[in-house]
Amino acid sequence: GAGVSQSPRYKVAKRGQDVALRCDPISGHVSLFWYQQALGQGPEFLTYFQNEAQLDKSGLPSDRFFAERPEGSVSTLKIQRTQQEDSAVYLCASSARAYGTGKYYGYTFGSGTRLTVV
Amino acid sequence: DAKTTQPTSMDCAEGRAANLPCNHSTISGNEYVYWYRQIHSQGPQYIIHGLKNNETNEMASLIITEDRKSSTLILPHATLRDTAVYYCIVRASGTASKLTFGTGTRLQVTL
Repeated sequence: GAGVSQSPRYKVAKRGQDVALRCDPISGHVSLFWYQQALGQGPEFLTYFQNEAQLDKSGLPSDRFFAERPEGSVSTLKIQRTQQEDSAVYLCASSARAYGTGKYYGYTFGSGTRLTVV
Repeated sequence: DAKTTQPTSMDCAEGRAANLPCNHSTISGNEYVYWYRQIHSQGPQYIIHGLKNNETNEMASLIITEDRKSSTLILPHATLRDTAVYYCIVRASGTASKLTFGTGTRLQVTL
C-alpha cells in the first residue's frame, strides 16, 4: 500500500484482557519497528524486525509484550493481561533498508493504535 | 546515541520563518542529526537530516554549527499546518538505527 496501515485505530480493553495490534508495512520494506507513546511523551522504541527476524526486543517493557512478523510483512504486537500502564499509542514504522547498514532511509510511520485499558 | 535538548514550546506567526533550535553538545563524529515532526493524532514524519553540511529540501533547511554541537531547523514560511511537535534526534550510522525520541518542541503557528 501507499503507507503504513495500523489496525484497529482505537482499542479499549478491560484490565487483564489480551489484545493484538496489527501493522501492515509498506510493501517490500525490510525493516519494521514498534514504538510506544505515552500521553505527552515522545515515542519509545519497543522492538525491531528485519524481514521475519526479530533482531532487537530490548524495549519491550515486560514478558507480557510479544511481537511477531512470521512472513516478513505484516506484524502483530500482542499484549497479554493488559494493565492500566499499558495505555498508550502504539506506533509502527517501516523502512526500505536493513538496520545498521550505514545508509539512512526514512522511516514511514503509521498513525498508530490508541490503546486504553480500563 | 547523544542526548538532545530542545525548548519545550515555541510560537510562530503564519508566513514567518520558524527557527527551531537543538543542542547536542555530546554528538560524536559519526552521528547524524535528524528532524521529525508529529502532527496531532498522526505518526512522526521525517523532515530532514544532516551530518555537518547545511541541508535543504522542499520542507525545511537544517543548519548545523561548525562544531556540530547544535543545529537549527528552519521552516521558511510557516503555515497553520506546520503546528506540530518537532523532534531533534542524533543517531549513529552503521550501528543501532533505531530512533530515540525526546519530548521535542511543540510549535504553535498562529494567525
